[in-house]
Amino acid sequence: DSGVTQTPKHLITATGQRVTLRCSPRSGDLSVYWYQQSLDQGLQFLIQYYNGEERAKGNILERFSAQQFPDLHSELNLSSLELGDSALYFCASSVGGTSGSNEQFFGPGTRLTVL
Amino acid sequence: AQSVAQPEDQVNVAEGNPLTVKCTYSVSGNPYLFWYVQYPNRGLQFLLKYITGDNLVKGSYGFEAEFNKSQTSFHLKKPSALVSDSALYFCAVRPPYTGGFKTIFGAGTRLFVKA
Repeated sequence: DSGVTQTPKHLITATGQRVTLRCSPRSGDLSVYWYQQSLDQGLQFLIQYYNGEERAKGNILERFSAQQFPDLHSELNLSSLELGDSALYFCASSVGGTSGSNEQFFGPGTRLTVL
Repeated sequence: AQSVAQPEDQVNVAEGNPLTVKCTYSVSGNPYLFWYVQYPNRGLQFLLKYITGDNLVKGSYGFEAEFNKSQTSFHLKKPSALVSDSALYFCAVRPPYTGGFKTIFGAGTRLFVKA
C-alpha cells in the first residue's frame, strides 16, 4: 500500500458527461501528480500541483482541469467526455516540489469507462 | 524532443537466470532517472532511481540499474529472476529544470519469468 488513495475505483459514464476523480496523497507529501494510462498512449503525465499551486502541465486537454485543496487532496475534473477518454487515471504524490529527485508514490487508479 | 525508449515490448526469461530490461533516453542535461514496476490492477511502485554518483544503483526486491551517460541508457537488471518478478516495468526520466517536474515515462516492458 503506497498510502495514496483514489476514489472511485471504477467509473462508468456516458459521452458528454462530467466526472470528478479524487486523490488523497501520502501523509506529508505536498506534490500531487495526475496521469492517464491507456493502451495506445501509454502513461501520460497530465498535471502537477504543489502545496495548492499548479506546478507543471503535461498533455492535459482543455476539457480537463484539476485543483489541489488546502488539505492537499486533489480532484481531477473531466468534462464533455468522449469515448477516447476511457482509461486508467492515476494519482501520485511525492514529498517535495522543488526537487525533481523525489520518487513518486502511485495510487491504485480510477478506471474510467465512457460509453 | 525529449523522449524515453524501452525498445522491447516484452522480455522472457527463465527463473533463476539474469534479466535485463533496457531503457534509453533523449533528454538534455543531467536528468533524474527512475524505474517503476506495475503489477496487474495496481498502481506503479517505485523500484530505484539515479540522481548522481555511482553508476550502479541498487533498489527494491534485488533489482539494480546501470547508468551509462555516454550511451544515455539506464538498464534495469537482476542477477536471478523470480516468477513473482513478472510485471510491467516502466523507465522514467525527469528533466533537470525547476518550476515543474514533467516526468516522461517509457512505453513499458512486460517481463515474463517462466518457472
